[in-house]
Amino acid sequence: DAKTTQPPSMDCAEGRAANLPCNHSTISGNEYVYWYRQIHSQGPQYIIHGLKNNETNEMASLIITEDRKSSTLILPHATLRDTAVYYCIVRVYNQGGKLIFGQGTELSVKP
Amino acid sequence: DAGVIQSPRHEVTEMGQEVTLRCKPISGHNSLFWYRQTMMRGLELLIYFNNNVPIDDSGMPEDRFSAKMPNASFSTLKIQPSEPRDSAVYFCASSLAGTKNSPLHFGNGTRLTVT
Repeated sequence: DAKTTQPPSMDCAEGRAANLPCNHSTISGNEYVYWYRQIHSQGPQYIIHGLKNNETNEMASLIITEDRKSSTLILPHATLRDTAVYYCIVRVYNQGGKLIFGQGTELSVKP
Repeated sequence: DAGVIQSPRHEVTEMGQEVTLRCKPISGHNSLFWYRQTMMRGLELLIYFNNNVPIDDSGMPEDRFSAKMPNASFSTLKIQPSEPRDSAVYFCASSLAGTKNSPLHFGNGTRLTVT
């Protein structure tokens, strides 16, 4: 599986957009980019995923660069409840769909 | 949708005892995953099943660990005998294999403490 690189921590002001970067320079053509988050003591929560087009859902937007070597997760209006560890994962579906987690980015949303 | 259900939420046991963790996947899902999380090693995949069959158990740390999935709605992870270094949060997740890129849905975990 392609390796991802994320900053270990970020801060964001409440109400502002949170932009979380992820580098995946060795991503292959059949690998999808997935984002999960984990709020303290809870199980990881699925946020969004994409292959090469930008994606948006009720939680967030995912922007993938044209060369697919990096992506950005955008939380448009961060709230205190968005404080969590955010994981960027590349996933090959034909390997059984397993997810291999890295260390993630610890996002702190501050009032 | 009840989500993935794990039990117990907390387990405290003494070294040498047998521990059984339980998981009920989301109804209709046919892939099930067991993960372990510690501060030192983060989230690690232990084993996963497709249609009740173990596909990849390369993450199972030792023979003391075993997992079963007797039917589509139930799985167990057993540790026998348990050791203090097994203390961790164990997560179960399920997904719908065959549906391209069906995301994994996680339970809230079992926090295991071995004294």
